[in-house]
Amino acid sequence: QVQLQESGPGLVKPSETLSLTCTVSGGSISGYYWNWIRQPPGKGLEWIGYIYDSGSTSYKPALKNRVTISVDTSKNQFSLKLSSVTAADTAVYYCARADAALDHWGQGTLVTVSS
Amino acid sequence: DFQMTQSPSFVSASVGDRVTITCRASQHINTWLAWYQQKPGKAPNLLIYGASTLQSGVPSRFSGSGSGTDFTLTISSLQPEDFATYYCQQANMFPFTFGPGTKVDIK
Repeated sequence: QVQLQESGPGLVKPSETLSLTCTVSGGSISGYYWNWIRQPPGKGLEWIGYIYDSGSTSYKPALKNRVTISVDTSKNQFSLKLSSVTAADTAVYYCARADAALDHWGQGTLVTVSS
Repeated sequence: DFQMTQSPSFVSASVGDRVTITCRASQHINTWLAWYQQKPGKAPNLLIYGASTLQSGVPSRFSGSGSGTDFTLTISSLQPEDFATYYCQQANMFPFTFGPGTKVDIK
């Protein structure tokens, strides 16, 4: 059974870069789209972007200038970097696998932007 | 960008009730529509993809229908574990877009 686990700092200062890693276990990272989604406290879901195992990416246009998603197939991991963060970036960040839909999700990690 | 709307935003229902949630896309998405269930403090869980295909392990009381721009999620007989928030999501093209959610609460 495929499992995903997010890891990274839970607190980031304003204007700094948020960095998270998603480790995939129980299956290969090859052949799927690997996504980041976030959910501000008490609000809905927002798709951030994906990376394919080849390294091709797509990002939400409103975040495109601040987002980088990368993959390390040797470690079965993919990562998110979001630069110049503000309080509006405070959210639970999820990683998820996309096949026909987002069929496997990590448990999520809360990232708070605060000084 | 795609816009996804859901109605109602809140449903108050009893165990055994039939519940129907509607999702509308701002553009045609064929059947590239998924439904998720999210309980407090948990990650979303895929219920239905391709508008009507039940994800493995999901109870058959959940069903989905629709194509084009209008879609429906139906819970035929609400169970205690079904009280949650439900989201639709278009998977026709990137950027993926989620609906705002429908909270199903206990009457």
